[in-house]
Amino acid sequence: DTGVSQDPRHKITKRGQNVTFRCDPISEHNRLYWYRQTLGQGPEFLTYFQNEAQLEKSRLLSDRFSAERPKGSFSTLEIQRTEQGDSAMYLCASSLPGSSYNEQFFGPGTRLTVL
Amino acid sequence: GQNIDQPTEMTATEGAIVQINCTYQTSGFNGLFWYQQHAGEAPTFLSYNVLDGLEEKGRFSSFLSRSKGYSYLLLKELQMKDSASYLCAVRDSNAGNMLTFGGGTRLMVKP
Repeated sequence: DTGVSQDPRHKITKRGQNVTFRCDPISEHNRLYWYRQTLGQGPEFLTYFQNEAQLEKSRLLSDRFSAERPKGSFSTLEIQRTEQGDSAMYLCASSLPGSSYNEQFFGPGTRLTVL
Repeated sequence: GQNIDQPTEMTATEGAIVQINCTYQTSGFNGLFWYQQHAGEAPTFLSYNVLDGLEEKGRFSSFLSRSKGYSYLLLKELQMKDSASYLCAVRDSNAGNMLTFGGGTRLMVKP
């Protein structure tokens, strides 16, 4: 069990550029979640997948944000035309329904800085 | 919607006991989680309550009262490494079983 991994760990970009982040969940976990966390706040839900299906999207997820999980394994989160307000830590988590607590296991996050 | 409140910051002394409270309002309560998050790191799972009462795991215990919309995390025999943010999160069956997190309580343990 290698845990949830995310790539890159840090990304610095200029306003207006597009960025893409990758998340590899724990194998066999069929649910995958994306959150955004700003300094001093708790994670805010963005979207989640069950297998390859995107089942829920937060109002926080503007049209500039898109997430995919094409084969039900890894997922990507793309932000188009980045804005300074997009600067945050982007966390990915995975879970396995039916496990003891169905708790979510978090990856180390991708810290995005938009200049 | 959901509303989760917890204190922003707390300070305690090494070796002491600290209680971190969390109150919540949700339409389809389906469990409450506590996570620990060290600065710059991912949240890690600490405890889960879905029924009323106390769940104990070593130095950490978590309590839930569903009728009051209230939970607390109790940390005993505090160690310096317990300095971290503690996140209360509620799962809502009316919202796809997603987690909604509180803002977190930053705990500072002093010698």
